[in-house]
Amino acid sequence: EVQLVESGGGLVQPGGSLRLSCAASGFTFSSYTMSWVRQAPGKGLEWVSYISSSSTTVYYTDSVKGRFTISRDDAKNSLSLQMNSLRAEDTAVYFCAREAPPYGEFDYWGQGTLVTVSS
Amino acid sequence: QLVLTQSPSASASLGDSVKLTCTLSSGHSGFTIAWHQHQPEKGPRFLMKLNSDGSHNKGDGIPDRFSGSSSGAERYLTISSLQSEDEADYYCQTWGTGFRLFGGGTKLTVL
Repeated sequence: EVQLVESGGGLVQPGGSLRLSCAASGFTFSSYTMSWVRQAPGKGLEWVSYISSSSTTVYYTDSVKGRFTISRDDAKNSLSLQMNSLRAEDTAVYFCAREAPPYGEFDYWGQGTLVTVSS
Repeated sequence: QLVLTQSPSASASLGDSVKLTCTLSSGHSGFTIAWHQHQPEKGPRFLMKLNSDGSHNKGDGIPDRFSGSSSGAERYLTISSLQSEDEADYYCQTWGTGFRLFGGGTKLTVL
């Protein structure tokens, strides 16, 4: 059974940092492209970042470029999102999602972890 | 610019059918999309990948009540024999080099 379990969310002050993790199981993690997607309160889903199966390619939505860094540890079946210089508008539930090969659609999702940026 | 447009809300009665629409912006009618269901307090759930010709591949365990179709720039999700647990937000999603994109979502109310 494919499972994605996020952790690391919490309350952080504006300008602060937080590192999210996603533990993957039930599939060959190293073979899959992964993404982070977020949902701000009362808003829809927003794609945040993507990392290819070999970590050679990463993408970010414009609003997080230069502040967020996506990475993966295939030996630990883990996906991470380092978030720096956090802003109030980064407040959201963050989901990790697996992409179905060859690319594109998110075929499995985690349950999410809440990040609140507030003083 | 690629945009996915969805109606903010839809409603239908228990046992009835409903057809949700995702419209691709001009010049992008050939794009494949995916449909996702998002129930409150849960992670989203992949429903299906839907091609421009209407062919679709459903996710694991998705009931036959869920089907997809396409016409031009429109991508449809039809849910038949509506059940109370179908009340959720439904998002279309597409992708390209360097981006993944969601529609604004449709909140489905089952009456």
